[in-house]
Amino acid sequence: ELKVEQNPLFLSMQEGKNYTIYCNYSTTSDRLYWYRQDPGKSLESLFVLLSNGAVKQEGRLMASLDTKARLSTLHITAAVHDLSATYFCAGEAGGTSYGKLTFGQGTILTVHP
Amino acid sequence: GAGVSQSPRYKVAKRGQDVALRCDPISGHVSLFWYQQALGQGPEFLTYFQNEAQLDKSGLPSDRFFAERPEGSVSTLKIQRTQKEDSAVYLCASSSRRWANTEAFFGQGTRLTVV
Repeated sequence: ELKVEQNPLFLSMQEGKNYTIYCNYSTTSDRLYWYRQDPGKSLESLFVLLSNGAVKQEGRLMASLDTKARLSTLHITAAVHDLSATYFCAGEAGGTSYGKLTFGQGTILTVHP
Repeated sequence: GAGVSQSPRYKVAKRGQDVALRCDPISGHVSLFWYQQALGQGPEFLTYFQNEAQLDKSGLPSDRFFAERPEGSVSTLKIQRTQKEDSAVYLCASSSRRWANTEAFFGQGTRLTVV
């Protein structure tokens, strides 16, 4: 059974600083997702990582995947207030071809001046 | 519509009451998922439909939970005799994926509060 763990669970950042959120998963995962969730809103897809060594970047966010270490990271560069949200990683269990996701607990990110 | 639509957005139920939560997926999407998100937690898988067939219901927490998608489009999640521990946000997601690699799109969820 796939298990996904994120850390830290809470992250308070100053604007302009850099930080990384870590996502460890327990067994083979076909692909790894990062989502953003604002309070009271749904999940917004940020990145889909398909293979070992994959790196994707969008604005101040960069995600990477190391399948050998079973680790994905979400790196935040020069944080701004608009990035305040909860970030989830989710793995897709190997062997289920239809996209069933197992989510981490989420990282609550607060960016302050 | 352009996205996944869920209704109602908020539902307050007295303990023991039955509730029905509706999901309108993106038109043409084959796959439909229900997830339960407790306060401060990540979403947890409940069940999966491919068209009208419920292929995985391994995440349904008890036999009080029942989901259907009779015509392969709109889905309803029904919870009978609600309990306080059922209080959560129920998220629906759909994708065009059958065997190919396409991501799922989530609705805004229904927040269920059982009092």
